[in-house]
Amino acid sequence: KQEVTQIPAALSVPEGENLVLNCSFTDSAIYNLQWFRQDPGKGLTSLLLIQSSQREQTSGRLNASLDKSSGRSTLYIAASQPGDSATYLCAVIAGQLIWGAGTKLIIKP
Amino acid sequence: KAGVTQTPRYLIKTRGQQVTLSCSPISGHRSVSWYQQTPGQGLQFLFEYFSETQRNKGNFPGRFSGRQFSNSRSEMNVSTLELGDSALYLCASSTYREAGANVLTFGAGSRLTVL
Repeated sequence: KQEVTQIPAALSVPEGENLVLNCSFTDSAIYNLQWFRQDPGKGLTSLLLIQSSQREQTSGRLNASLDKSSGRSTLYIAASQPGDSATYLCAVIAGQLIWGAGTKLIIKP
Repeated sequence: KAGVTQTPRYLIKTRGQQVTLSCSPISGHRSVSWYQQTPGQGLQFLFEYFSETQRNKGNFPGRFSGRQFSNSRSEMNVSTLELGDSALYLCASSTYREAGANVLTFGAGSRLTVL
């Protein structure tokens, strides 16, 4: 049974720092992996999608990597800003989306 | 281009009642998937529809059902509501047959409170 874990559950850093969020999964047979952000009381916004054949994807200050063999993905956020404060979720796709519990990120001005 | 529209945004029901939630996908998107989000269980997959056919279903009791219409709009229904059904219900649409094969666009959600 596929399980997705995100560590840490919460993270607070000063503005301007680079940071890494982690996502691990137990079964490497995935179709792809997606990272999302969720702002309080709102829906989800897709950030990056990595196909199983890819190693990384970049969008602006965000870079996501995927290592299927080790069951890990990381989301790197460069030069963090207060507007980056949100909960970040990863989801692996293997027939259906299996979600991590999320990392709540707070960027302090 | 209009986004994914979910209605109603908020609703309060009592135990034993039933509820119907609606999701209108982005124009041209034929895949709609539904998710339940609770503080205790996080996000869980409910079901996925493509071209009016249920493609996949999560591990939820039969009280949870859904359907998709020919215009790709989707509804989900929960019968005999229980307190534990209180949650944010999210739907997402995409262009591809499998919900995760392409970028998902989510609606703002329907927040259900069961008293």
